[in-house]
Amino acid sequence: AQSVTQLGSHVSVSEGALVLLRCNYSSSVPPYLFWYVQYPNQGLQLLLKYTSAATLVKGINGFEAEFKKSETSFHLTKPSAHMSDAAEYFCAVSERRDDKIIFGKGTRLHILP
Amino acid sequence: DTGVSQDPRHKITKRGQNVTFRCDPISEHNRLYWYRQTLGQGPEFLTYFQNEAQLEKSRLLSDRFSAERPKGSFSTLEIQRTEQGDSAMYLCASSPAGSGETEQFFGPGTRLTVL
Repeated sequence: AQSVTQLGSHVSVSEGALVLLRCNYSSSVPPYLFWYVQYPNQGLQLLLKYTSAATLVKGINGFEAEFKKSETSFHLTKPSAHMSDAAEYFCAVSERRDDKIIFGKGTRLHILP
Repeated sequence: DTGVSQDPRHKITKRGQNVTFRCDPISEHNRLYWYRQTLGQGPEFLTYFQNEAQLEKSRLLSDRFSAERPKGSFSTLEIQRTEQGDSAMYLCASSPAGSGETEQFFGPGTRLTVL
């Protein structure tokens, strides 16, 4: 069965510092992996996705993630945090194209001035 | 592109009442998904449709829940005899299945509060 584990329900970084949000997945088949962002009182927005092409995936707003099969990880990074990055971030996995998505519990990112 | 829309955005009801939510997907998206998100948790899959056919239902979808997509366009999610545990954000998403696109586009959600 698919599952996603996000390490740290809350992460705080200073403005301008590196953002690193950790995600490990479990899947019985080569997975499709996603990072979604949710701003307060808004819907989910796709940041980036891995679909078996390049292992380093670039997304919107300067975020990127690297698929590491040996570590079953898909960590999200951004070189320099901005105040506008404060939000809830969800890592997610799907076993088939167009299939249901299994989400992690989320990590709330706080940006310190 | 107007995006996925959901109605109502907020619903407050008393325990035992029935409620119905509506989701309008992006035009020509043939897959439609329902998820539920409780406070502090990630969204959990409930069910999804390919056109008007309901292809999968989660065990989370008890007998009190029913979803329809009668003409393959909009969808409704009905909860009968609501319980306080049903309080959550109900999210709808759509995708253009068969086009090679894997992204699901999410609506703003309907927040249900059961008193």
